[in-house]
Amino acid sequence: EVQLVASGGGLVKPGGSLRLSCVDSGFTFSTYTMNWVRQAPGKGLEWVSSISSRSNYIYYAASVKGRFTISRDNAKNSLYLQMKSLRVEDTAVYYCATMSEQLVRPPFDHWGQGTLVTVSS
Amino acid sequence: DIQMTQSPSSLSASVGDRVTITCRTSQSISSYLNWYQQKPGKAPKLLIYAASSLQSGVPSRFSGSGSGTDFTLTISSLQPEDFATYYCQQSYSSPPWTFGQGTKVEIK
Repeated sequence: EVQLVASGGGLVKPGGSLRLSCVDSGFTFSTYTMNWVRQAPGKGLEWVSSISSRSNYIYYAASVKGRFTISRDNAKNSLYLQMKSLRVEDTAVYYCATMSEQLVRPPFDHWGQGTLVTVSS
Repeated sequence: DIQMTQSPSSLSASVGDRVTITCRTSQSISSYLNWYQQKPGKAPKLLIYAASSLQSGVPSRFSGSGSGTDFTLTISSLQPEDFATYYCQQSYSSPPWTFGQGTKVEIK
């Protein structure tokens, strides 16, 4: 069973950097496409980035492209999001979420609990 | 990018009511439309995928329908635990995968 735990959030100044992690305590991490989805305070959901199971397909939202880098380590069942040049508008809860590669055009089927990133001076 | 429009943005309903939420997309997405439920302070939870397939463990009072550009989430008999915010999301195109703005279901 997939159990995702996100960490690494915190308070950072504009222009700063932060690295988020998401660990899957289950045994199927290496078979999923992994994603980061964020939610600004009181707002809706925004997809941020995606990485396929073998890291051969990587995508970013236009709002973070060039500033954020997604990566994964299947041996450690871990997903990462390196965030640089952070802006006030990046303030949000960041969720990691899985997508099954067994389905055609799959949904986000499992979600971690989220980690809060606050960008403020 | 595919734009998603949910309606209404919020609604008030009573326990036992039938509730319908709609989602419209800016272009046809076949049946690649998913629905999520989110409670305050919690992560979203997948309810319906591919427009009408019920995710494992989700009560049968939830159902989805539609194809093309118009979709519906129906709760046949609203229960106390169903008061939450609901989001639609398209998984049709290559990223970006987009969400609707959400529908908050409140107690009447």
